[in-house]
Amino acid sequence: AQKITQTQPGMFVQEKEAVTLDCTYDTSDPSYGLFWYKQPSSGEMIFLIYQGSYDQQNATEGRYSLNFQKARKSANLVISASQLGDSAMYFCAMREGAGANSKLTFGKGITLSVRP
Amino acid sequence: GAVVSQHPSWVICKSGTSVKIECRSLDFQATTMFWYRQFPKQSLMLMATSNEGSKATYEQGVEKDKFLINHASLTLSTLTVTSAHPEDSSFYICSARRGISNQPQHFGDGTRLSIL
Repeated sequence: AQKITQTQPGMFVQEKEAVTLDCTYDTSDPSYGLFWYKQPSSGEMIFLIYQGSYDQQNATEGRYSLNFQKARKSANLVISASQLGDSAMYFCAMREGAGANSKLTFGKGITLSVRP
Repeated sequence: GAVVSQHPSWVICKSGTSVKIECRSLDFQATTMFWYRQFPKQSLMLMATSNEGSKATYEQGVEKDKFLINHASLTLSTLTVTSAHPEDSSFYICSARRGISNQPQHFGDGTRLSIL
């Protein structure tokens, strides 16, 4: 089974509106972390937000919030007040365990296009 | 500002050439760095985990003799693509993490490698 699943092929949103990017994960490790990264066309990977498996509250970072539903194993990214600069590829990733060599596993990514 | 520097950002060279890519953590010591490969419109695929002072751990299917990794110091890891061929053309991106657990991995800006 895939560890990280991002099934939305591409998303469009009107500028200033909110958008939700879906991510589901699969793990049997009780300790894990979930990450969202943004990759614009220039290629760099930009860290957006983190959610730990033991965190009680949903993570928020500015316009980004993570809708963490542990029982459903989902970690959807919500971007509020979309901006044209939000157009990019978005990757959900998971790290299992907490060791120094614990690896990030990425989903396939979702392309978000913000319309003016 | 950037916390991981990757150089060069773009390489075009002839088939049979060896290409070295450097990855530096700028303001922290990284005992572990990660090397990824990404094809257009696809996700990041982990190639290897680089540990300072020891041999890298390669993912299944990645040729160790083709992709040489050296992690000689706590701030520098290098990836050398030996005797590169057109099928090695790709986007290579490194990352490093401060500490463990909930710290995000910071990524370099990537290297676009084109083998003619």
